[in-house]
Amino acid sequence: AQSVSQHNHHVILSEAASLELGCNYSYGGTVNLFWYVQYPGQHLQLLLKYFSGDPLVKGIKGFEAEFIKSKFSFNLRKPSVQWSDTAEYFCAVNARSSNTGKLIFGQGTTLQVKP
Amino acid sequence: DAGITQSPRHKVTETGTPVTLRCHQTENHRYMYWYRQDPGHGLRLIHYSYGVKDTDKGEVSDGYSVSRSKTEDFLLTLESATSSQTSVYFCAISEPPTENYGYTFGSGTRLTVV
Repeated sequence: AQSVSQHNHHVILSEAASLELGCNYSYGGTVNLFWYVQYPGQHLQLLLKYFSGDPLVKGIKGFEAEFIKSKFSFNLRKPSVQWSDTAEYFCAVNARSSNTGKLIFGQGTTLQVKP
Repeated sequence: DAGITQSPRHKVTETGTPVTLRCHQTENHRYMYWYRQDPGHGLRLIHYSYGVKDTDKGEVSDGYSVSRSKTEDFLLTLESATSSQTSVYFCAISEPPTENYGYTFGSGTRLTVV
């Protein structure tokens, strides 16, 4: 069964600091990987996704993530955070071979950016 | 938002009562999912559907049942609500292959069981 682990539960940064949020998954086969963001009071929005090809993917709002297959990791990065990045971030995975498309989430990381 | 609506948006109910949440889509997507969101747990899959009348259990299915009698509607029923089911419930839809279509989430239903 798939599982996803996000190691940072609560991160506090000052504006302009760099961000890296960890995500590791457990699954032996080929996966699709996602990062979602949830701003306070809102529903989930897709930040970026990886299916195949270049393991460094760029998403919206200056976010990027790197898929390292050997480490089963898909860490999210941003060189310089803004106050508006304050939100909860979720890593998610689904098995490419699945005929149900089940999407499994990590526990989430709350990011607080201080102005 | 992208043809998926959840109802009701908010509900307060008493312990022991049955509750049904509705997810309605206009995208004709095959896959539909129910998640619950709780602090420290992220989103956990309750039940999912991969076609009309085709449903299966997710990670936290105890105390919940689902039905999908037509493509556009996926109902989640709490058979006898308990305080531990106080949560925010999200519905999501997708279409195979998911790498082409991605997932779209509803706005959520905030359920409080008192």
